[in-house]
Amino acid sequence: SAVISQKPSRDICQRGTSLTIQCQVDSQVTMMFWYRQQPGQSLTLIATANQGSEATYESGFVIDKFPISRPNLTFSTLTVSNMSPEDSSIYLCSVGLDRGYEQYFGPGTRLTVT
Amino acid sequence: GEDVEQSLFLSVREGDSSVINCTYTDSSSTYLYWYKQEPGAGLQLLTYIFSNMDMKQDQRLTVLLNKKDKHLSLRIADTQTGDSAIYFCAESIGAAGNKLTFGGGTRVLVKP
Repeated sequence: SAVISQKPSRDICQRGTSLTIQCQVDSQVTMMFWYRQQPGQSLTLIATANQGSEATYESGFVIDKFPISRPNLTFSTLTVSNMSPEDSSIYLCSVGLDRGYEQYFGPGTRLTVT
Repeated sequence: GEDVEQSLFLSVREGDSSVINCTYTDSSSTYLYWYKQEPGAGLQLLTYIFSNMDMKQDQRLTVLLNKKDKHLSLRIADTQTGDSAIYFCAESIGAAGNKLTFGGGTRVLVKP
C-alpha cells in the first residue's frame, strides 16, 4: 500500500484568496491525481498531475483556477485560486501504484470558503 | 461515455448480509473498485476486481461482476455496526492505476 499525507487537513478561507494544498507519498509513484468532493456528493476528478510536465485537466476544470505542480514522483500541490463559497469541498489526492492495481487516497483537505 | 450509478441508501440489521449494487456503462472498464468512507474520513480501498473475473472473495467481502449486464455488487457478510459508512464503486479504464470514475455512493446504515 501507500501512505499519503495532505496539508492542511482543513482550512477556512476568505472569498478571493488562494490556498495551496500539499500531497506527499511515502514512495515514488507515476500516477497522481486530484479529486474534489463537494458536500454530500461523490468524487470528481480535477486533474492528473504529471511529473515534469503540465497537468491534464478534466472537462470543467482549468489551470488558471486549479494550478497543479508535480516537481517529483512523491509530491504534488493543488492551488485553489480566487476562491468563492462554491469551492467549499474536500480535496483529495490519490496515487496509482506502479506495481499493481490499487489506488489509494489521502485523508483529504476540508476547505470552507466564507 | 462513463457513467457509474448506485442506489442511495441501504438499511440492514446487524448480523445480516448487506448487498450494495453498482452499474456502469463503459464496457472498456478494466478494473472496478469498492471504497468505504466513514464520516469525516478519507476513502479506504476495500477491494477491487479485474474485468475478466466474475467473483472475488476477501474475508467478509464478496465482489460479483456481471460484465454482460455491466453490474457490480459488494456483499458484506455478518454486517457490523462498524460497517456503517458510505460505499463508493469506481471504474478505471485502460492501464492499471489510471484515473477513476466514481458512482454517487450508497449510504449503509447498520441497525443493532
